[in-house]
Amino acid sequence: EVQLVQSGAELKKPGESLKISCKASGYNFITYWIGWVRQMPGKGLEWMGAVQPGNSDTRYSPSFQGQVTISADRSISTAYLQWNSLRASDTGIYYCVRFQIAVGWLKYWGQGSLVTVSS
Amino acid sequence: EIVLTQSPGTLSLSPGERATLSCRASQSVRGTSFAWYQQKPGRAPRLLIYDASSRATGIPDRFSASGSGTDFTLTITRLEPEDFAVYYCQQYGSSPAYSFGQGTKLEMK
Repeated sequence: EVQLVQSGAELKKPGESLKISCKASGYNFITYWIGWVRQMPGKGLEWMGAVQPGNSDTRYSPSFQGQVTISADRSISTAYLQWNSLRASDTGIYYCVRFQIAVGWLKYWGQGSLVTVSS
Repeated sequence: EIVLTQSPGTLSLSPGERATLSCRASQSVRGTSFAWYQQKPGRAPRLLIYDASSRATGIPDRFSASGSGTDFTLTITRLEPEDFAVYYCQQYGSSPAYSFGQGTKLEMK
């Protein structure tokens, strides 16, 4: 059974750094891309970017380029989403998703990680 | 980047009625690289439709979809109480620079 299990809720202050995780199981981790989707409070879904764990190829949506870092550690089947300096506007739920580059529908989602940035 | 615009923003209907949700792309979507998702409060989105018209595993046949190019439609015949949720469209033609619509809230009248 394919599972994406994300790290828990985080409460951080503006300017702090953060790295959240998405641990995959039930399939060969390097054969699928892992993407990240943001959902701000009461708002819609936003595509942030994705990583191919097999070769670490990473692509970012223009809106998120330079704002976050997406990475993966194939040795532990885990993908990451990282911020160097959080802002209040980073508050939201972050989902990881699994997909194939040629067939980009998103059947498998993590449960979501709530990130709250507040002073 | 392809921008997707969903309409209406909110749709108020009663169980048993038919729902028609639309999604328009700012430029033509490659092939049939289009999907629809349902999201309920506090839950991750669920894939309903992929490749513009194919139902995902376990999705009831009251859900159907069509479209190509820049115009796509999701239809739900005979609404059930569990269908009231938020629906999102997604294009994946410009992989992996995917994009979502802003959502249509389907609420019970």
